[in-house]
Amino acid sequence: KNQVEQSPQSLIILEGKNCTLQCNYTVSPFSNLRWYKQDTGRGPVSLTIMTFSENTKSNGRYTATLDADTKQSSLHITASQLSDSASYICVVSGVNAGNMLTFGGGTRLMVKP
Amino acid sequence: DAMVIQNPRYQVTQFGKPVTLSCSQTLNHNVMYWYQQKSSQAPKLLFHYYDKDFNNEADTPDNFQSRRPNTSFCFLDIRSPGLGDAAMYLCATHRTGESSYEQYFGPGTRLTVT
Repeated sequence: KNQVEQSPQSLIILEGKNCTLQCNYTVSPFSNLRWYKQDTGRGPVSLTIMTFSENTKSNGRYTATLDADTKQSSLHITASQLSDSASYICVVSGVNAGNMLTFGGGTRLMVKP
Repeated sequence: DAMVIQNPRYQVTQFGKPVTLSCSQTLNHNVMYWYQQKSSQAPKLLFHYYDKDFNNEADTPDNFQSRRPNTSFCFLDIRSPGLGDAAMYLCATHRTGESSYEQYFGPGTRLTVT
């Protein structure tokens, strides 16, 4: 069964600090992995998408890594801001899935001043 | 510019009273999805349209129906909402064949059932 697990479930950090969110998946054969940011009461917004051949991708202060061998990904947030408070969702698509997505449970990040 | 638009953003309906949520897109994407997201949970796919072909997830209740009159619009009909149907409903779109694999999500409609 395709699964995506994220850790931690929730995280509180101080403004300006860095943090790293983890994602492990069992989706196979693998097509691509996405990280989404979802503000409370809003739809998910794409941060990064990585395919099998990519092992890192950045979007401003967000840097995602992918290890397709160990089926792990991380999202690193640098110099956090209050506006980074949101849920971060790891989503994986399989090659034969018709672009169907397997969602992780998300990490709820709270950045405090 | 808004690409995936959902209306209304907030909907309150009574137990058992039919309700329709709408989604429109300006991307000319051929695939449209409806997800249900309950508090602190991941979005759950209800169904999707691949062009005009409707694809229902096996565990989507019969209470949920969908219509796609044209490429741009897709509707979610809940025939007899129950208290358990209160959730955020997300619409997403995708164009097959795009190398970016991107699915674009709308802002969601928050449904409250009283």
